Amino acid sequence: SQQGEEDPQALSIQEGENATMNCSYKTSINNLQWYRQNSGRGLVHLILIRSNEREKHSGRLRVTLDTSKKSSSLLITASRAADTASYFCATDARRDDKIIFGKGTRLHILP
Amino acid sequence: DGGITQSPKYLFRKEGQNVTLSCEQNLNHDAMYWYRQDPGQGLRLIYYSQIVNDFQKGDIAEGYSVSREKKESFPLTVTSAQKNPTAFYLCASSNRLMNTEAFFGQGTRLTVV
Repeated sequence: SQQGEEDPQALSIQEGENATMNCSYKTSINNLQWYRQNSGRGLVHLILIRSNEREKHSGRLRVTLDTSKKSSSLLITASRAADTASYFCATDARRDDKIIFGKGTRLHILP
Repeated sequence: DGGITQSPKYLFRKEGQNVTLSCEQNLNHDAMYWYRQDPGQGLRLIYYSQIVNDFQKGDIAEGYSVSREKKESFPLTVTSAQKNPTAFYLCASSNRLMNTEAFFGQGTRLTVV
């Protein structure tokens, strides 16, 4: 079962624009994480936000968490060609400590 | 350098054979995970282990087996009972006590020939 679901499934934007991806989940969580995956590679951790936090920043990344709506968003500002990748949210459920991933958003930055 | 290592990077299996994928970490993490990824898809949890000598089934455990005899090692065996094993397999570890992010290996691409 997928705990997290990202939206949109795919996104193409011009270089320099901002990219926003959303994630919804189903059960209570300890934390929510965002990862990036370049084609055929392992996942790279981007940012972790705990259930008692509402917003977090890391460089050009901004993550928000709304536990009442069971949703999170990832904003990448001033996008670059190197940001082209798939982005996944992952939730760490309180009930069983499993880390469950969504299906991801494929982001394509156009030159 | 601390990290998590998967081997081999590419693996070919004949139908009916069992194969074992290696995952080793030197991060002193208690928790380790195995995921399967199919083309254009997300990650699905196969097995996870929170402590040595203990592991739990994930969402798609059928046809797979694991062991956790050492803290740093969590090998995954893809058995002949797994009917569609061709996929990209990813191993991860995390520090459960600190409730922090998971670190991933570079993956093993398994192909049935």
